[in-house]
Amino acid sequence: DAKTTQPTSMDCAEGRAANLPCNHSTISGNEYVYWYRQIHSQGPQYIIHGLKNNETNEMASLIITEDRKSSTLILPHATLRDTAVYYCIVRVSSYTGNQFYFGTGTSLTVIP
Amino acid sequence: DTAVSQTPKYLVTQMGNDKSIKCEQNLGHDTMYWYKQDSKKFLKIMFSYNNKELIINETVPNRFSPKSPDKAHLNLHINSLELGDSAVYFCASSQGLVATEAFFGQGTRLTVV
Repeated sequence: DAKTTQPTSMDCAEGRAANLPCNHSTISGNEYVYWYRQIHSQGPQYIIHGLKNNETNEMASLIITEDRKSSTLILPHATLRDTAVYYCIVRVSSYTGNQFYFGTGTSLTVIP
Repeated sequence: DTAVSQTPKYLVTQMGNDKSIKCEQNLGHDTMYWYKQDSKKFLKIMFSYNNKELIINETVPNRFSPKSPDKAHLNLHINSLELGDSAVYFCASSQGLVATEAFFGQGTRLTVV
């Protein structure tokens, strides 16, 4: 059911930018790209979402390619607390509401 | 203040037993969900409720029966537990079916032995 593919794991040096890629080649025109993260033993936490344009908030930036088939989540200055599993999700909207289809995620390890 | 809270956090039980997991949200949301995260960390939606009414049942066995006594609560009852039910179960809530963001609880780790 997952509509996204992500690398299984990545490392990033503390203080550097973490760039997490995601492929969603079958995304439809009205489906949003969401990013959540899950820190060990906690529930998933919302990070950011977008449709076509690049987005930025206090946590991260989201870069979506023009054809919308892939995106990149950027954590500008990674800290040790950013170590988590990052999920790239396609939000499907239907008459039953919005559904979030999680993939297997990328395990990001921030290294001191 | 915990926005979405689940109890218990850990649950170990024998095959064949019946157990319940409770979920409460104090965000004033009208939509609640149950997700299952398996051993491979794959998170999959099970149910969604809007204003106490079942909206989505994603091919979950009949042994799983959600109950929503009011908009702030969505409990999950599981009958005749099987080994394959071992997983982490997450409750979530959002404002409306078309909300842009869902808030998740801390999860309940269910182990069936």
